[in-house]
Amino acid sequence: RKEVEQDPGPFNVPEGATVAFNCTYSNSASQSFFWYRQDCRKEPKLLMSVYSSGNEDGRFTAQLNRASQYISLLIRDSKLSDSATYLCVVNRANAGNMLTFGGGTRLMVKP
Amino acid sequence: DAGVTQSPTHLIKTRGQQVTLRCSPKSGHDTVSWYQQALGQGPQFIFQYYEEEERQRGNFPDRFSGHQFPNYSSELNVNALLLGDSALYLCASSQFSGAYQETQYFGPGTRLLVL
Repeated sequence: RKEVEQDPGPFNVPEGATVAFNCTYSNSASQSFFWYRQDCRKEPKLLMSVYSSGNEDGRFTAQLNRASQYISLLIRDSKLSDSATYLCVVNRANAGNMLTFGGGTRLMVKP
Repeated sequence: DAGVTQSPTHLIKTRGQQVTLRCSPKSGHDTVSWYQQALGQGPQFIFQYYEEEERQRGNFPDRFSGHQFPNYSSELNVNALLLGDSALYLCASSQFSGAYQETQYFGPGTRLLVL
């Protein structure tokens, strides 16, 4: 079983739709959680960190459920420019600064 | 302020050859991590360098080795290339703070094709 699992998609949604991605992680020692965005043939870029209390950045909301070892990302009012692969990332406290990535969820926003 | 830079951008090699990839970290950063991203998959951690030493290593064979220079730049070397080594190789830099997590910034990657 992979340490970080995501539905690969693709999620095909119309502009303006709300879309949610889920991610599960298997190592209970995981301490830090992130969503990265990766455009086609580009490098991953940090979208947002994920905190237990939940956090919001504009149209993006991230939630963490430590008990269920589950992370989510909600995108409201989808834009064409949101089309990308979204990577769920965790870091274990005893693993230094080694990031463990999920396989990514591909989002395609259609006009 | 230059971000993370990597060279070359693309590389084609044949099986059995050796390759060296280079990375310059973002200004002010002293830690470099290397990741391998196969097509359709998420990046996988190879190793991390800080103070010119390998500090962490992922599940990669000894064919993968690296080096960090006094100016914090880094090299990734892969010997005896296999077809399965074809991937995007990403370098990420960060500033060590003693905490377990500092934000990592990724370079554009080197796309390696092994024939």
